[in-house]
Amino acid sequence: KAGVTQTPRYLIKTRGQQVTLSCSPISGHRSVSWYQQTPGQGLQFLFEYFSETQRNKGNFPGRFSGRQFSNSRSEMNVSTLELGDSALYLCASSLWLGSNTEAFFGQGTRLTVV
Amino acid sequence: ELKVEQNPLFLSMQEGKNYTIYCNYSTTSDRLYWYRQDPGKSLESLFVLLSNGAVKQEGRLMASLDTKARLSTLHITAAVHDLSATYFCAVDFDNYGQNFVFGPGTRLSVLP
Repeated sequence: KAGVTQTPRYLIKTRGQQVTLSCSPISGHRSVSWYQQTPGQGLQFLFEYFSETQRNKGNFPGRFSGRQFSNSRSEMNVSTLELGDSALYLCASSLWLGSNTEAFFGQGTRLTVV
Repeated sequence: ELKVEQNPLFLSMQEGKNYTIYCNYSTTSDRLYWYRQDPGKSLESLFVLLSNGAVKQEGRLMASLDTKARLSTLHITAAVHDLSATYFCAVDFDNYGQNFVFGPGTRLSVLP
């Protein structure tokens, strides 16, 4: 069974540019969440999507946005990149909403902003 | 404020020894998860604890949850080098979704 797939694995961008990251959840999973991991702030929740609807959003500026498609694949976009956006971006998928579902993480996209 | 704390943040131990990592959280929840992360890698799910008193074991690791004390423990028995990694606990405070607040992680180093 294929796991959560994130593309690309690595990205280098320049300040001011924008970037789009992609996440394909495990087949049949309908919930996708995104997290940012940095050495200073640790793992922080970005957004959660279920059935193409954003259910929750973390405390990040409006430059961070996302969406989910009808096949449950998700993308996140960061506009006007800043140096501080350099991080490992992790996507997690789970079968359903609710407390009994386990979240599985992808390998992540490592974004470097120069 | 939703907050998750772990203790210790760094742990260096010898092979064969036992130790416990503690995870405290600030607000009522009965859903707690433990993950392992190797350097440069993603998060690997270890345990899902969904009720007060839940105890789960896998190999040399055992996790428990006390929702009244807002405390989870990850106990390591007879540590081996392969257990060297960073361990995160995460608490799900959302009744209907999946919105984890992660602890800062415990970096475990098992020395021969």
